[in-house]
Amino acid sequence: DVKVTQSSRYLVKRTGEKVFLECVQDMDHENMFWYRQDPGLGLRLIYFSYDVKMKEKGDIPEGYSVSREKKERFSLILESASTNQTSMYLCASSLGTGVIRGFFGQGTRLTVV
Amino acid sequence: QKEVEQNSGPLSVPEGAIASLNCTYSDRGSQSFFWYRQYSGKSPELIMSIYSNGDKEDGRFTAQLNKASQYVSLLIRDSQPSDSATYLCAVVLTSYGKLTFGQGTILTVHP
Repeated sequence: DVKVTQSSRYLVKRTGEKVFLECVQDMDHENMFWYRQDPGLGLRLIYFSYDVKMKEKGDIPEGYSVSREKKERFSLILESASTNQTSMYLCASSLGTGVIRGFFGQGTRLTVV
Repeated sequence: QKEVEQNSGPLSVPEGAIASLNCTYSDRGSQSFFWYRQYSGKSPELIMSIYSNGDKEDGRFTAQLNKASQYVSLLIRDSQPSDSATYLCAVVLTSYGKLTFGQGTILTVHP
């Protein structure tokens, strides 16, 4: 089974802190994604990456950056956390060709106080 | 217009009935279509994928795709209380596999 693992299940951070959310997948997938999920708004794409060191902005990239130094790891960075970034963050990975299926990590519930 | 739209629900059906979930998408270039199930507090779980027009059946689930009408649906036969969840429609446009989601439909199956 594909495994997508996020480093933390719950996080509480203070306003202005730099926050790192880590995601690791074990199936050699080319594509990795970061979404946030908020009630009434569904899942919204923040950033995605289709190869090592490659990244593309999603629908709501403001206030976030990403890093992909190795194929299996995709990090989301909140440069200066704000209360409006309190949310559930979901990482996903998928194959680049052939059957394209998204597999999700367990999610990180981030609270910024 | 949103790229992927679902009927907002909530949808409530009795146990044993057929639940019908609908989704429309705006981009005719969309290639792949997925249904995810998400239980409260959990991450989405892929339950169905469909790539060509017509029906695809998997157990109690049937996905239907009509590219001309830009419409994809999910039917759940013999609905069970354990099917109560939020169902997310997702569409892939590019070969990068970027998933665009609808806002989800909450389904409640009552005994």
